[in-house]
Amino acid sequence: QSALTQPASVSGSPGQSITVSCKGTTSDVGGYNYVSWFQQHPGQGPKLMIYDVSNRPSGVSNRFSGSKSGNTASLTISGLQAEDEADYYCTSYTSSATYVFGTGTKVTVL
Amino acid sequence: EVQLVESGGGLVQPGGSLRLSCSASGFTFSTYTMHWVRQAPGRGLEYVSTISGNGGSTYYADSLKGRFTISRDNSKNTLYLQMSSLRTEDTAVYYCVKDLGYSSNFWGQGTLVTVS
Repeated sequence: QSALTQPASVSGSPGQSITVSCKGTTSDVGGYNYVSWFQQHPGQGPKLMIYDVSNRPSGVSNRFSGSKSGNTASLTISGLQAEDEADYYCTSYTSSATYVFGTGTKVTVL
Repeated sequence: EVQLVESGGGLVQPGGSLRLSCSASGFTFSTYTMHWVRQAPGRGLEYVSTISGNGGSTYYADSLKGRFTISRDNSKNTLYLQMSSLRTEDTAVYYCVKDLGYSSNFWGQGTLVTVS
C-alpha cells in the first residue's frame, strides 16, 4: 500500500485560505468516504481535524473544511492563523481493511 | 476521561524483539477497534496494524506482515504489539490509537522504540 501523495509544503499569509491535497487511488481515497485529516504541531501528538471526508469533530474550528473529488481529497483552511502552522496528514481506509497515511504537508503561515 | 498509556519501548539491537503495551481506560475497551501507528524521527505518520474489538480480526501494513503481531486482552483493557526481527528502520515513536477514522479518535502519548 503506497502512501497517499500530499504536497511537501503549503504556505499562506494570515487571513488567506489554503488547500492541501491528498491523492490516492480507487482502492483508498476514491473508493471510500473514510478520509480523515490530522494536525500535528512539533513535539505533539496528532489531532483529528476532519473525519469522513468533510465532518468536523466537536471543538475544531469551522475554518477547517474537507472535500473529495475522485481519488483526491482536500483540506481547506480559511482565515489562516499563526496557530495553524503545523504538519497535516490525511489518512484513508483501504480495500484491504487497513489504513494508509499521506506523506504529510508542512503548512507555513507567512 | 479517555486515557491510552503506551509502555515497553526502549533500545533494542537489530534482529531483536520487543513487546509494546497500551493500557486503556475511560471507555469500554472491548467495543472499540484499536490501532498502532508509528512515526520515525523527523518523518511522517505510518499505519502499522488494526485489531477488532473482540480480537478476532487483525490487519497489518503490507511491509510489516510476518514480523509484527497485534493482540489485545480485553479483561485487562490492554493492547499489545509484539515486534520481532527488528530493523533500524523500525526506529520510531509508536502510538496506540482508538478509532482511527472516527470522531471519537484518541491517541496515546507514544513510546519510543530505538533499534541500534
